[in-house]
Amino acid sequence: GENVEQHPSTLSVQEGDSAVIKCTYSDSASNYFPWYKQELGKRPQLIIDIRSNVGEKKDQRIAVTLNKTAKHFSLHITETQPEDSAVYFCAAYYNAGNMLTFGGGTRLMVKP
Amino acid sequence: DVKVTQSSRYLVKRTGEKVFLECVQDMDHENMFWYRQDPGLGLRLIYFSYDVKMKEKGDIPEGYSVSREKKERFSLILESASTNQTSMYLCASDSPGGGETQYFGPGTRLLVL
Repeated sequence: GENVEQHPSTLSVQEGDSAVIKCTYSDSASNYFPWYKQELGKRPQLIIDIRSNVGEKKDQRIAVTLNKTAKHFSLHITETQPEDSAVYFCAAYYNAGNMLTFGGGTRLMVKP
Repeated sequence: DVKVTQSSRYLVKRTGEKVFLECVQDMDHENMFWYRQDPGLGLRLIYFSYDVKMKEKGDIPEGYSVSREKKERFSLILESASTNQTSMYLCASDSPGGGETQYFGPGTRLLVL
């Protein structure tokens, strides 16, 4: 099956700085890579996703890049704000299993 | 507005008890999922279902069973709760085919004493 590794597990940045979270996956057949944000005490919610036919996608301060050859994808948050503080999960859609496999999560703390 | 609801936000049970966690979605989704969330381990899939009365094991099915009698409802059952099943349980749903957004419920924090 699929295996997704996520780094770092915790990340602390100063407000206004950029934050980068990286994930690697094992199954080259995976073709869909969403990112979820989970604020304290709340449910995970999709913030951005990318499909395997695209190398980069942006949505305001958030961007995701995908390197299919190296089997890794990254979340980039620019001009971080305190409300970006949350746990972020990457995931890979594993075709053969018809399910998402999640990374271990990154706790991002943005200091004002 | 998308809605996935779970029957309880917090639950305290004793070792050996039978525990039912209920999940309901109102989006007519075919797929429903039960995850367990533990610090540092992310979201681990317990069971999922593609259709009514259909179920598939995820990565950590041991000690759990599920039931899907109606399309909108997916139940997670702990036949005999143990302390190592203390965790946050999240239900989710999506449409079939892959590459679709999964919508999560608010979670049930279960404590087994």
